[in-house]
Amino acid sequence: NAGVTQTPKFRILKIGQSMTLQCTQDMNHNYMYWYRQDPGMGLKLIYYSVGAGITDKGEVPNGYNVSRSTTEDFPLRLELAAPSQTSVYFCASSPSAYNSPLHFGNGTRLTVT
Amino acid sequence: DAKTTQPTSMDCAEGRAANLPCNHSTISGNEYVYWYRQIHSQGPQYIIHGLKNNETNEMASLIITEDRKSSTLILPHATLRDTAVYYCIVRWTSYDKVIFGPGTSLSVIP
Repeated sequence: NAGVTQTPKFRILKIGQSMTLQCTQDMNHNYMYWYRQDPGMGLKLIYYSVGAGITDKGEVPNGYNVSRSTTEDFPLRLELAAPSQTSVYFCASSPSAYNSPLHFGNGTRLTVT
Repeated sequence: DAKTTQPTSMDCAEGRAANLPCNHSTISGNEYVYWYRQIHSQGPQYIIHGLKNNETNEMASLIITEDRKSSTLILPHATLRDTAVYYCIVRWTSYDKVIFGPGTSLSVIP
């Protein structure tokens, strides 16, 4: 089972460039989440989705956009990359709200210079 | 706001039990307590979860107090590979966000 797959694993961006971090899951999970983790810090929720067509802001949504057109995919878009967005980004999914754990991907390490 | 509180760091001798506490005083009746860990910069790994009864699996045990305001994750025989950051979270029924706090950095010492 592939689980939660994130691509790319690593990326270096110049300030002002844009990119999309891809996240796909093959477990038919309704709930999907994007987190960022700065060096030495905990996870911060960026955006989340409770199903196709439904997204909502987390703790730190500024500078990011998401879409959820299918159950499987939940891409995260950075429009104008800034050095403050240098971080490791994790995508996660779960089948339901309260009685199911999150399954995490292996992360995308992004550097903005 | 994560609404769970954990010690910042703990040490444990290799081979001994590691007991990691977590306070979740505002938890309500049908909200689950979850534990995850993160080794180096890998994606967090699910360990165990529970509602009100104590739970045990191949990785750990979870003890939840009767009033459900706190819990303890027990790693029965800690190894060096258990060195990680351990996160205690609650999946709240009032909203769908899953918020992580800073967790507890556990160091297992030879």
